Amino acid sequence: AQKVTQAQTEISVVEKEDVTLDCVYETRDTTYYLFWYKQPPSGELVFLIRRNSFDEQNEISGRYSWNFQKSTSSFNFTITASQVVDSAVYFCALSEGSSGGSYIPTFGRGTSLIVHP
Amino acid sequence: DAGVIQSPRHEVTEMGQEVTLRCKPISGHNSLFWYRQTMMRGLELLIYFNNNVPIDDSGMPEDRFSAKMPNASFSTLKIQPSEPRDSAVYFCASSLGGEIYEQYFGPGTRLTVT
Repeated sequence: AQKVTQAQTEISVVEKEDVTLDCVYETRDTTYYLFWYKQPPSGELVFLIRRNSFDEQNEISGRYSWNFQKSTSSFNFTITASQVVDSAVYFCALSEGSSGGSYIPTFGRGTSLIVHP
Repeated sequence: DAGVIQSPRHEVTEMGQEVTLRCKPISGHNSLFWYRQTMMRGLELLIYFNNNVPIDDSGMPEDRFSAKMPNASFSTLKIQPSEPRDSAVYFCASSLGGEIYEQYFGPGTRLTVT
């Protein structure tokens, strides 16, 4: 079973539109960590945000905001007033505990966001 | 400050040849991760190290793959012998504090095995 599901394979919007990227995760752990990364056309993944399972406070950073809801196991990402430079593949990731005591990071399949001028 | 450095950036080799990918993590980071990215399988964790010690290698596809981290500033991922299905982009990432913290990725090595 997929531990991190990003159901939207590709989203296409016009500049200045708001867009929300969905992320649904699956874990039995009470302690876990969620992340979002951006992979622009250049290819290098860039860290955006980290959340632990005990902090459900939503976060806003400029045009970016994140909505973490444990009740629905979701950690959605919204870009307000999108810009062409936001065009990239966005990955949601989960680090959960393993039987060996360490945490294993798992990435979703990514959502490709295309922002048209 | 320098980010994660990977070399080579591109590698083209023939099936059966040995391939060695190199990574230099960010200075001071104590965790290092190797990933493989393909269209079919997405981004897969192959192996990661904490303080130069391999912690989880369950993602390593088979015995043809091996990884080492002889010191805190260098790691290698070796494929021997290489096969066409190994063609992918291989990323190295490092983290300060382990797998529960954000990772900083290198630019990747695009491997093509013909």
